[in-house]
Amino acid sequence: NAGVMQNPRHLVRRRGQEARLRCSPMKGHSHVYWYRQLPEEGLKFMVYLQKENIIDESGMPKERFSAEFPKEGPSILRIQQVVRGDSAAYFCASSPSAGGYEQYFGPGTRLTVT
Amino acid sequence: AQTVTQSQPEMSVQEAETVTLSCTYDTSENNYYLFWYKQPPSRQMILVIRQEAYKQQNATENRFSVNFQKAAKSFSLKISDSQLGDTAMYFCGSGGTSYGKLTFGQGTILTVHP
Repeated sequence: NAGVMQNPRHLVRRRGQEARLRCSPMKGHSHVYWYRQLPEEGLKFMVYLQKENIIDESGMPKERFSAEFPKEGPSILRIQQVVRGDSAAYFCASSPSAGGYEQYFGPGTRLTVT
Repeated sequence: AQTVTQSQPEMSVQEAETVTLSCTYDTSENNYYLFWYKQPPSRQMILVIRQEAYKQQNATENRFSVNFQKAAKSFSLKISDSQLGDTAMYFCGSGGTSYGKLTFGQGTILTVHP
């Protein structure tokens, strides 16, 4: 059973461009969580999705950020018009059930905005 | 709401010795759990140990054990017989069974010296 997959592992964008981060959960997992880790900090929750639904987006910045988890395909975290402050590691985790007790993390995507 | 505090930015220990990492938390949840994740230089998040708050017995996983003091809201991690491979950033955190997101502390960098 493959683990949580994230791609790309490294992404470089110029200011003003769009960044798309992909997360494929573990097989059989229908709950996905996105976290952001700024340099020298812990992970901060961004959004929790279940297939086709956003359950909790309380940690998501109000502008430029969006997330989806379609019926088919990976979950996508989209950042429009990136700024230098968006440079961070973005981690995705998946779990087989609600409650998040068992969250398995992907290797992360390191976004660098130049 | 949940908050997690790790007051030790850095710790070091000699190989084969024992080290304890501190963590305090606060939560409004009645049903919650606590955990420690390890983040080595590869940045992969690896679950070290997890404890449901309703359980009085401290969790143990091989060389890793916790000291859970519910009244004091303290959840420390003890690593026995430290190994060079234990060198990593360690994150303490909490989650509630009524929702999925995890809350992490700021992290403690542990260095194991030969």
